[in-house]
Amino acid sequence: EPEVTQTPSHQVTQMGQEVILHCVPISNHLYFYWYRQILGQKVEFLVSFYNNEISEKSEIFDDQFSVERPDGSNFTLKIRSTKLEDSAMYFCASRNRDRRRETQYFGPGTRLLVL
Amino acid sequence: DQQVKQNSPSLSVQEGRISILNCDYTNSMFDYFLWYKKYPAEGPTFLISISSIKDKNEDGRFTVFLNKSAKHLSLHIVPSQPGDSAVYFCAASVSNFGNEKLTFGTGTRLTIIP
Repeated sequence: EPEVTQTPSHQVTQMGQEVILHCVPISNHLYFYWYRQILGQKVEFLVSFYNNEISEKSEIFDDQFSVERPDGSNFTLKIRSTKLEDSAMYFCASRNRDRRRETQYFGPGTRLLVL
Repeated sequence: DQQVKQNSPSLSVQEGRISILNCDYTNSMFDYFLWYKKYPAEGPTFLISISSIKDKNEDGRFTVFLNKSAKHLSLHIVPSQPGDSAVYFCAASVSNFGNEKLTFGTGTRLTIIP
């Protein structure tokens, strides 16, 4: 069964450094999302992406965040200058236009630790 | 901003019995509700959903009930099995022309006791 994949599984970085989290959504999916979960807290929406542009973003998704779909398969989240509070599990999700609208398929996540 | 709340952080149920997980919401604009299951080191996995025009949806051992007037939904798992031990997240969304984001609750850790 096709699945969303994410790399790396773990990333440790120094505060102020840039990180890029990688996701390969399911191949025929058209809607892409990033969520994050700070340890012990709920999963929070960051951004949705459709037709090569951002559809919606949360207040968390400020100017230090950006997303890109550089080719037909990858979907990346860039954090330009990481802060300690960016430490979290980051989940990528995707959805097919033909599926029930909220059935988003999640990847296994990237655990980001900012020191 | 606690639009979706799961007030029980944990629940333990004997194998074979019914597990009932509860979720409350405050945003009356939500029109679609879902339950996701999450194992450690994995992403959330979709389990079952319900539209606001229904009050019940069943899929095998899993049934979701929606009480719109009380802004409450519940997930029933019967019979509970050891493999059901996981964290269960309630999520909700508002119709937005295909770009619906999910608003999650804080999760309930379900432990099935053999």
